[in-house]
Amino acid sequence: ETGVTQTPRHLVMGMTNKKSLKCEQHLGHNAMYWYKQSAKKPLELMFVYSLEERVENNSVPSRFSPECPNSSHLFLHLHTLQPEDSALYLCASSQGAGTGELFFGEGSRLTVL
Amino acid sequence: SQKIEQNSEALNIQEGKTATLTCNYTNYSPAYLQWYRQDPGRGPVFLLLIRENEKEKRKERLKVTFDTTLKQSLFHITASQPADSATYLCAPGYNQGGKLIFGQGTELSVKP
Repeated sequence: ETGVTQTPRHLVMGMTNKKSLKCEQHLGHNAMYWYKQSAKKPLELMFVYSLEERVENNSVPSRFSPECPNSSHLFLHLHTLQPEDSALYLCASSQGAGTGELFFGEGSRLTVL
Repeated sequence: SQKIEQNSEALNIQEGKTATLTCNYTNYSPAYLQWYRQDPGRGPVFLLLIRENEKEKRKERLKVTFDTTLKQSLFHITASQPADSATYLCAPGYNQGGKLIFGQGTELSVKP
């Protein structure tokens, strides 16, 4: 049973839609992350939040917009995506940013038509 | 630029043998290195962390080495079992900044 919950697990959207991915962690951690995993490619770090403040933004296109309202919740807002954005989006948390192991959710499988 | 390389070819071994996976990094001086296991369609699961001042770390049937001179980590699974079949990811990291970068992973298949 993972302490990091992601919803939805699967999402299909058109290029003009607006949707959001949600992540919730029940571990009392103070850092949260979004990673993108495309087929046969390494995990790509997208965003890092520490104490609800964004500390890392890896040149991610503006069609991806993160939101961290508190230390337990993280959102990824999606709008006008491209088919190449189809991937597994993984949320993770840790106690302290970059100081230890990451706890991952099961991911949200996104398909953009 | 920083680069992490893991065995790109899938590793196929017989049950009971020792699996050895390699992680090489360049343009990088990480303070520690982590190993994760990932099953298809699921998020990675943390296995082990080894720090730059540690040569070797063990956990049950797992052993990790860290050679900062060679810029390499080796991950061993002894007495391998079919249930060990998965993709294994290495991730060198720093103590601050939150920037944990992952290798592309090595797929391990253990045959009965």
